[in-house]
Amino acid sequence: AQKVTQAQTEISVVEKEDVTLDCVYETRDTTYYLFWYKQPPSGELVFLIRRNSFDEQNEISGRYSWNFQKSTSSFNFTITASQVVDSAVYFCALSEAGYGGATNKLIFGTGTLLAVQP
Amino acid sequence: EAGVTQSPTHLIKTRGQQATLRCSPISGHTSVYWYQQALGLGLQFLLWYDEGEERNRGNFPPRFSGRQFPNYSSELNVNALELEDSALYLCASSFSPEARGYTFGSGTRLTVV
Repeated sequence: AQKVTQAQTEISVVEKEDVTLDCVYETRDTTYYLFWYKQPPSGELVFLIRRNSFDEQNEISGRYSWNFQKSTSSFNFTITASQVVDSAVYFCALSEAGYGGATNKLIFGTGTLLAVQP
Repeated sequence: EAGVTQSPTHLIKTRGQQATLRCSPISGHTSVYWYQQALGLGLQFLLWYDEGEERNRGNFPPRFSGRQFPNYSSELNVNALELEDSALYLCASSFSPEARGYTFGSGTRLTVV
């Protein structure tokens, strides 16, 4: 069965600290997609990144970076030099590939609430 | 480009009533997905529509239903409302079933009293 685990329920850091949000997933598929979304208090899910299972290259986008390791089924997210505006709930999600019978749904982790203190 | 728009923003209903939530996908997107975010339950997949057809549904009772119109907009209907239906309902759209670029709207906050 597919599952996404975000073991960290809440993280509190002081501004300018680096913080890593953990994500571990389970799937039987060999082709799948992993996502990170940010949910600010307004409620909208903001897309951050999508990776497919064949691309293990780590990615950096400004202060954000992602570490994808198939060997440990992990897709961790690091924010460098955190800012107060980074405060939000962050969700990791999994989507299995395929159509014509595939579910095509996103399976979300339970989210990590990140609080960045000034 | 307009994003995914949902209406209403907030909805208050009485137990036993029906609620109708609306979603307009990004122009050109044919797939629409509905998710429920209830307190303590996380984000749960509800329904997926593509080209006017229901393609898949999550583990929800039949009183959760919906449809997709020819212009790809979608409605989610919840009949016989129960208190535990109180949640944020999020709609997402994607360019095609194969595309994995899900764009979410801001949601409809449904409160059942």
